[in-house]
Amino acid sequence: ETGVTQTPRHLVMGMTNKKSLKCEQHLGHNAMYWYKQSAKKPLELMFVYNFKEQTENNSVPSRFSPECPNSSHLFLHLHTLQPEDSALYLCASSPKTGGPGEAFFGQGTRLTVV
Amino acid sequence: GIQVEQSPPDLILQEGANSTLRCNFSDSVNNLQWFHQNPWGQLINLFYIPSGTKQNGRLSATTVATERYSLLYISSSQTTDSGVYFCAVESGYSTLTFGKGTMLLVSP
Repeated sequence: ETGVTQTPRHLVMGMTNKKSLKCEQHLGHNAMYWYKQSAKKPLELMFVYNFKEQTENNSVPSRFSPECPNSSHLFLHLHTLQPEDSALYLCASSPKTGGPGEAFFGQGTRLTVV
Repeated sequence: GIQVEQSPPDLILQEGANSTLRCNFSDSVNNLQWFHQNPWGQLINLFYIPSGTKQNGRLSATTVATERYSLLYISSSQTTDSGVYFCAVESGYSTLTFGKGTMLLVSP
């Protein structure tokens, strides 16, 4: 398998649930990202990891908790979410932050909070 | 942070027509990419083009880094070209930042 893979593709969760999104890249990259795309809005950067270290947290609420155990895997742990957190969550990877190098995205997880 | 502006925001074409999408950015960049977001939400890489010109089939792109803009050309458009086209840039101090996109609809 090549590229960036996200699981699950779709997720419906209640506001009291705890779930995790997973992202895996097979490109040998050292930077990984979480983006959020709400309906009819541009992509918003959430978190950035470079060589397993978090380098950017874009004022994301604490109910979203990222984890990067190694350069190939990135998780987004979700707990006590709100309906307005329903969105498409996209993972990306690139050779390293600050470039140069091409970024690639996973297929996304479409999250619905009920 | 760096600002990215795309135009037009919406575009409707008849099949077979040509179009030009524009991306302006506010500072020098070392990465610039064009993406096509399909109806299922996936971002498809079109071009990695921090400078110069590239072509891939009916699509081509030009980035003039000194003047801080990039253009995406679509020729002989097809209905499958419909979707949202995003420009994204990265500078030495700014992570990959997206414009708001151009929504393209190609009608038969």
